[in-house]
Amino acid sequence: QKEVEQDPGPLSVPEGAIVSLNCTYSNSAFQYFMWYRQYSRKGPELLMYTYSSGNKEDGRFTAQVDKSSKYISLFIRDSQPSDSATYLCAITSGGSYIPTFGRGTSLIVHP
Amino acid sequence: SQTIHQWPATLVQPVGSPLSLECTVEGTSNPNLYWYRQAAGRGLQLLFYSVGIGQISSEVPQNLSASRPQDRQFILSSKKLLLSDSGFYLCAWNPLAAQQETQYFGPGTRLLVL
Repeated sequence: QKEVEQDPGPLSVPEGAIVSLNCTYSNSAFQYFMWYRQYSRKGPELLMYTYSSGNKEDGRFTAQVDKSSKYISLFIRDSQPSDSATYLCAITSGGSYIPTFGRGTSLIVHP
Repeated sequence: SQTIHQWPATLVQPVGSPLSLECTVEGTSNPNLYWYRQAAGRGLQLLFYSVGIGQISSEVPQNLSASRPQDRQFILSSKKLLLSDSGFYLCAWNPLAAQQETQYFGPGTRLLVL
């Protein structure tokens, strides 16, 4: 079992939909949780990070962490075609500074 | 503000030729630096990381090497490229001083070995 599992998709949704992107992990030592957005042929861009269970909101994006279930989610409200990209989760244990990345979920938002 | 640069942006090289990719970070001191490779349809593979000048840790044995001659400069090299070295190479940095686990990526170098 990989340490971080992420469905590669693609996930295709209509514009305006609420998108849910998810990762599961197996290592209970993981403490820091990040989401990156990567457009085609570009480097990943940090969207959000958190280190606690619960929700963290930033505009249309909400990151959710459930440590008891080892499950993290990224929600995108009112999705736009410009949100079409690959979304990667990344998780680290405290002090390692070397994240374990999911393989990414490809999201397509069609007009 | 901090910025990270990588060059070249795109590179086409014949098998057996040498390689040198450069990464520099501006606006910070003593960052952790990382080299990743991202093959088509695959995840990020950590190749090397560095916590300081001259300090390099290798994650994957292969024909690549890395060097950090200056605090904010990280170089990825090869003496003889293989077809399997083709991919998207990403440099990243981490603000160690801020004690954050987050990494920030450069724009990447797309390498095609023919």
